[in-house]
Amino acid sequence: NAGVTQTPKFQVLKTGQSMTLQCAQDMNHEYMSWYRQDPGMGLRLIHYSVGAGITDQGEVPNGYNVSRSTTEDFPLRLLSAAPSQTSVYFCASSYGGTYNSPLHFGNGTRLTVT
Amino acid sequence: ILNVEQSPQSLHVQEGDSTNFTCSFPSSNFYALHWYRWETAKSPEALFVMTLNGDEKKKGRISATLNTKEGYSYLYIKGSQPEDSATYLCARGGPSNTGKLIFGQGTTLQVKP
Repeated sequence: NAGVTQTPKFQVLKTGQSMTLQCAQDMNHEYMSWYRQDPGMGLRLIHYSVGAGITDQGEVPNGYNVSRSTTEDFPLRLLSAAPSQTSVYFCASSYGGTYNSPLHFGNGTRLTVT
Repeated sequence: ILNVEQSPQSLHVQEGDSTNFTCSFPSSNFYALHWYRWETAKSPEALFVMTLNGDEKKKGRISATLNTKEGYSYLYIKGSQPEDSATYLCARGGPSNTGKLIFGQGTTLQVKP
């Protein structure tokens, strides 16, 4: 199993550009989520999904869109990139909810917005 | 947002020392507490998921305890080794049983040989 795969690993965008961060998992996990990690701050939840066709907002959803058309994929779209979105982004999945299932993280995407 | 706080922010110990960190969280409406280990240039890896008051978990030299009534969890490392150097994150789950966690800022441990 590859686990959770994120692409790209690095990306540089100009302000106003849009892009999609890809996330795929091959563990048949129902639950997927996106976090961002900024210096001096913990991981903050952007969006999450409890199954195909179901998504919801986390702590910091503004400026991001998600969709979950399949169990395997959970892409994160930046609509119009801003310097405040410079961060490291992590996708995670779990087989169950957080009451009993740990998260499995991808290797992260480092995004710089200039 | 239910704040999760970790202390200390960073810690430097000598190889062979035992150490512990604290994770504090609001004690009301507790659902689950997670611990993750995050090595530099890697992604976070799960250590423990804890749900019951008084729960204790152990994985090799690392163990954790949970007190939901007073809102804290301790992570212990016995006989620290240089390979234990990492950032240790705790996170609180709930109120709904989703993939949603609220993370603390982490405790960064540096073990000197």
